Amino acid sequence: GDSVTQTEGLVTVTEGLPVKLNCTYQTTYLTIAFFWYVQYLNEAPQVLLKSSTDNKRTEHQGFHATLHKSSSSFHLQKSSAQLSDSALYYCALSDHNNRIFFGDGTQLVVKP
Amino acid sequence: GGIITQTPKFLIGQEGQKLTLKCQQNFNHDTMYWYRQDSGKGLRLIYYSITENDLQKGDLSEGYDASREKKSSFSLTVTSAQKNEMAVFLCASSYSNERLFFGHGTKLSVL
Repeated sequence: GDSVTQTEGLVTVTEGLPVKLNCTYQTTYLTIAFFWYVQYLNEAPQVLLKSSTDNKRTEHQGFHATLHKSSSSFHLQKSSAQLSDSALYYCALSDHNNRIFFGDGTQLVVKP
Repeated sequence: GGIITQTPKFLIGQEGQKLTLKCQQNFNHDTMYWYRQDSGKGLRLIYYSITENDLQKGDLSEGYDASREKKSSFSLTVTSAQKNEMAVFLCASSYSNERLFFGHGTKLSVL
């Protein structure tokens, strides 16, 4: 079946430095779209980015991600991390059956 | 804009008890989902529903039942609560393959 892998459970970065959260996936069926969701403390998860197009960069709120089907990856990056970026980040994909699969999540901690 | 309302916010149950969680959405979305959130294990799909009266099993459906009697509501039943179980159950809805909108969750504790 489909699966999403986020290799880091915790990423710690100093404010102002770049950050990268890794996401790779496996699919056995047609995958429709890829997402990054962010969950702030005591809040519901909310979408950060969405992409369906191979090799196209998608940006929102200073974050960006590019879907690379050749390497089955959809890594999330930001050039300068802010304290307010501290949150739990989930990578996800949706298939043609409307199933949406999430990775285990990466906790991002931005330190002053 | 719309909203997803989950009730109750907190649910305390006894071992072996049947417990029901409710979810309402006013987005007029076709598809609704139930996920379980455990620390370090991500969001695991329990059930989802593409339309009224439709039910599809996710990877974690064993031990749960679901019901979609109306387009706007989707309920989840824990058929037999497990002792010391603690998790957050998240309801979500979307248009087909579009982004999910989540409720704030029901936190379950089993004594």
